[in-house]
Amino acid sequence: EVQLLESGGGVVQPGGSLRLSCAASGFTVSDFAMNWVRQAPGKGLEWVSGISDSGGRTKYADSAKGRFTMSRDKSKNTLYLQMNSLRVEDTAVYYCAKGSSGDVWGQGTTVTVFS
Amino acid sequence: DIQMTQSPPSLSASVGDRVTITCRASQGISQFLAWFQQKPGKAPKSLIYAASTLQSGVPSKFSGSGSGTDFTLTISSLQPEDFATYYCQQYNSYPLTFGGGTKVEIK
Repeated sequence: EVQLLESGGGVVQPGGSLRLSCAASGFTVSDFAMNWVRQAPGKGLEWVSGISDSGGRTKYADSAKGRFTMSRDKSKNTLYLQMNSLRVEDTAVYYCAKGSSGDVWGQGTTVTVFS
Repeated sequence: DIQMTQSPPSLSASVGDRVTITCRASQGISQFLAWFQQKPGKAPKSLIYAASTLQSGVPSKFSGSGSGTDFTLTISSLQPEDFATYYCQQYNSYPLTFGGGTKVEIK
């Protein structure tokens, strides 16, 4: 069964850092494009970053550029999102999703940024 | 960036009703359009990709159509488990963008 399991969320002060993980099972992350999508409390879905299948090129939303870094570890079949210089407005549930069309999503991990 | 405009933002419907949600892209996206269902406190669930292809396991009461800039999601006969928020998303180009969502509520 194809599954994604996010972890690493938590409470952090503005300016702090967190690293989110997304462990995949049932498929190989490097064989597919993968994305991080977030949802602020009571709001809609917002794409944050993506990584291509071949070549591992990364793309970022303007809100994430220069602060977030997406990567993957083939040996662990895991996706990561390193988030630095966190802001209050980064508070959200963060999901990883398989494929550009998001055919499978994880359950999400909550990031709260407040002072 | 491609803007996705969904309408209506919300609707009230009764069990058994036929419901249609529309999604318009600010520029042509061919058929690179997906639809998701999200229930409170849960992750989004993929319903349709490539504008009209049903994900495995999704009941046939859901259908999608459209190409270019205009798309629709139809639920042929609304059931209690279908009350949720629905989102469209284009994956023609980065940044991936979502519609604002349509909340389907019980009348």
